[in-house]
Amino acid sequence: DADVTQTPRNRITKTGKRIMLECSQTKGHDRMYWYRQDPGLGLRLIYYSFDVKDINKGEISDGYSVSRQAQAKFSLSLESAIPNQTALYFCATSVSTGGAVGELFFGEGSRLTVL
Amino acid sequence: GQSLEQPSEVTAVEGAIVQINCTYQTSGFYGLSWYQQHDGGAPTFLSYNALDGLEETGRFSSFLSRSDSYGYLLLQELQMKDSASYFCAREGGTASKLTFGTGTRLQVTL
Repeated sequence: DADVTQTPRNRITKTGKRIMLECSQTKGHDRMYWYRQDPGLGLRLIYYSFDVKDINKGEISDGYSVSRQAQAKFSLSLESAIPNQTALYFCATSVSTGGAVGELFFGEGSRLTVL
Repeated sequence: GQSLEQPSEVTAVEGAIVQINCTYQTSGFYGLSWYQQHDGGAPTFLSYNALDGLEETGRFSSFLSRSDSYGYLLLQELQMKDSASYFCAREGGTASKLTFGTGTRLQVTL
């Protein structure tokens, strides 16, 4: 079983629909992240959380929201999906190491298509 | 926008050595990481440099020069399975988080 699990793995939806992508981890890490990957643009940080009570915006948070329901769960929501949110979304975790990010452990990705 | 620059594509033959360069913005820099991603897969961690010099892990090595705001990933004895995208990622700013480059697609040929 994967240490970082994302659901759904693939989703096709329509403009204006609300979508939630879920991430759960069994690594016991305190830090969790949501990244978006688009061809030619690499990975861009949407939101990150250093513990259950700590949520921070990344570089492209507009149009997204997150919830850290527990140390092991971090969900990403698109309240009203639009076509330019079509992308591959990755959840990642890390363990705090004296202030450094440390190694990121990624889930297998959730491919979202907004029509 | 991106604060890291890396080549978009590199091609090399099996058994050769290839170097993938990465330049980054200096402001608030803590360290440079490298990740590998095969088509359809998730990124996986390769190496991290916080100090100047070379870090070696098997066939892969990573180098950092803080004074030049420059690093590279060196892949030796290339194998076909090394065909993948390679991302440098800068750690820095006011909080501990990674900013990724746009990736270098490595094609290993016979």
